[in-house]
Amino acid sequence: DTAVSQTPKYLVTQMGNDKSIKCEQNLGHDTMYWYKQDSKKFLKIMFSYNNKELIINETVPNRFSPKSPDKAHLNLHINSLELGDSAVYFCASSPPGRGLGADTQYFGPGTRLTVL
Amino acid sequence: ELKVEQNPLFLSMQEGKNYTIYCNYSTTSDRLYWYRQDPGKSLESLFVLLSNGAVKQEGRLMASLDTKARLSTLHITAAVHDLSATYFCAVGAHYGGSQGNLIFGKGTKLSVKP
Repeated sequence: DTAVSQTPKYLVTQMGNDKSIKCEQNLGHDTMYWYKQDSKKFLKIMFSYNNKELIINETVPNRFSPKSPDKAHLNLHINSLELGDSAVYFCASSPPGRGLGADTQYFGPGTRLTVL
Repeated sequence: ELKVEQNPLFLSMQEGKNYTIYCNYSTTSDRLYWYRQDPGKSLESLFVLLSNGAVKQEGRLMASLDTKARLSTLHITAAVHDLSATYFCAVGAHYGGSQGNLIFGKGTKLSVKP
């Protein structure tokens, strides 16, 4: 009954490789997000998708590309990995509409990416 | 640009003591959230504050929001070891609609010692 799930949990790879992280939510939410948490625990939004359309794209290198095959999934593809990409990546989702709890984001367990 | 500042960033407390974590933000927002993160774990939603003067309490934690001062506080009463974690506040940023991303503070690492 996992609400927001991510795979893999750990990802160790070499510089220059291409990798993907998958995210799925079974909450029926319309909006999904990707966040990056660096070694100092600072959380920063990367992407936001609403009903399969990108609505926010913060200043993120083009090597990162989100792909949403349907509103329950938001995958993150990373090309030509660099050392600085090492971080924990969190997927999140939120329900539609306004009102109490409407915009609360529910976070996945995170994917720890290590680039060697 | 919306900025969110938390202080303190590190907090070492003794069990049974009270303390307050502060969260200031730079531009108008009508949504403020508090999250908890245990080491190596995901973020857990604690409180959602949606209006000026909102106060929420859960156990030993109480959160409040003053939108005029652009300030939220997370008050810890009679701390216990189980409260040791990193606490983040996050403020909702608007992007032309009701949905928007969250801007997080840097987090307050709380350590409660016996």
